Amino acid sequence: NAGVTQTPKFRVLKTGQSMTLLCAQDMNHEYMYWYRQDPGMGLRLIHYSVGEGTTAKGEVPDGYNVSRLKKQNFLLGLESAAPSQTSVYFCASRKRVTTPQSYNEQFFGPGTRLTVL
Amino acid sequence: AQSVTQLGSHVSVSEGALVLLRCNYSSSVPPYLFWYVQYPNQGLQLLLKYTSAATLVKGINGFEAEFKKSETSFHLTKPSAHMSDAAEYFCAVSLTPLFSGGYNKLIFGAGTRLAVHP
Repeated sequence: NAGVTQTPKFRVLKTGQSMTLLCAQDMNHEYMYWYRQDPGMGLRLIHYSVGEGTTAKGEVPDGYNVSRLKKQNFLLGLESAAPSQTSVYFCASRKRVTTPQSYNEQFFGPGTRLTVL
Repeated sequence: AQSVTQLGSHVSVSEGALVLLRCNYSSSVPPYLFWYVQYPNQGLQLLLKYTSAATLVKGINGFEAEFKKSETSFHLTKPSAHMSDAAEYFCAVSLTPLFSGGYNKLIFGAGTRLAVHP
């Protein structure tokens, strides 16, 4: 199993350009998440998905869009990149809990380092 | 609302010394608590988790953490630091599934960078 993979690993954009980050998981997980990591701020949730065809906003959704057309993929889009979106982006996935008290671990990808000039 | 505070953005210890990384949380309902480790240029890896069973939780690589409800703390310790422990450590909190609708969103602290010197 590859686990959670992210494409690309690095990217440099100019202000106003658009791009899509791809997250793929081969663990048949229902839930997927996009985070951004900034120095001194830990990881903050951008958007998440609880299943194919469904998405929801996290803490910092502005300037991003997402899609979950296939269960194994979760795409993060930047329509018009801004320097404030320079960050490291992490994708994570998790299996749905099946009992009220259970917890399933989130598995993280290796990250995408994005610089917006 | 939930939050996590990690005291000390940088901690430096000698090899063989005790490692203590501090985490305090805020949650109005029973939380689940986690420590993640991030090695340079890698993603996050789960070190250990507290999910309302034993309050002293043992994780990988000799780390452990104790949940103290009265102090709202979940500090991470390791008796003897190794050079390979140098990394960034994140404490995180999540609502129990009973209160979160099963979504288990994680709220992360700002992180503590651990340096280990010879």
